[in-house]
Amino acid sequence: KQEVTQIPAALSVPEGENLVLNCSFTDSAIYNLQWFRQDPGKGLTSLLLIQSSQREQTSGRLNASLDKSSGRSTLYIAASQPGDSATYLCAVRPGNAGGTSYGKLTFGQGTILTVHP
Amino acid sequence: DAGVIQSPRHEVTEMGQEVTLRCKPISGHNSLFWYRQTMMRGLELLIYFNNNVPIDDSGMPEDRFSAKMPNASFSTLKIQPSEPRDSAVYFCASTLTLQGLGSGANVLTFGAGSRLTVL
Repeated sequence: KQEVTQIPAALSVPEGENLVLNCSFTDSAIYNLQWFRQDPGKGLTSLLLIQSSQREQTSGRLNASLDKSSGRSTLYIAASQPGDSATYLCAVRPGNAGGTSYGKLTFGQGTILTVHP
Repeated sequence: DAGVIQSPRHEVTEMGQEVTLRCKPISGHNSLFWYRQTMMRGLELLIYFNNNVPIDDSGMPEDRFSAKMPNASFSTLKIQPSEPRDSAVYFCASTLTLQGLGSGANVLTFGAGSRLTVL
């Protein structure tokens, strides 16, 4: 059974810092990995998706890397801003494109990020 | 596109009552997912549909939960009878799932959620 762990559970940093959020998964047979952001009381917003054949994806100040063989992904946030404060979740999709498992995303518990001015 | 639309946004009900949550996926998406989020258990997949057909409902907690997708633009999640432990935020998400080699990115788009409180 796939398990996804995110470290740290919570992170508080001053504005302007570069930071790294970590995600690890136990089964390396994944199809892709997705990073989401969730604001309090809101739904999830997709930030970046990395296919299993890719090593990284970038969007603005965000960079996500994937090391499938070691079961790890990191989300790098450059020059953090108070508006980045949210919960960040990673989710993996199994590599079995057939059968009944292809749609199952397994989520980590999330990292609660607070960026203070 | 208005995104994934869920209703109601908030529901407060008493134990034993029937609860129906509704979801309209993004037009053109062929896969729909129901998730439940609680502080203790995080996000859990309850059931998902592909082309309106339930593919995997192994996450549905018990027989009190049922989900339907009568057409490509509408799905319901029903709890009957509801219990206090069902209190959670229920999310609907959709994506376009392509099969075979070179499948698409399958970015999952979530609705804003339905916050259910069972007293």
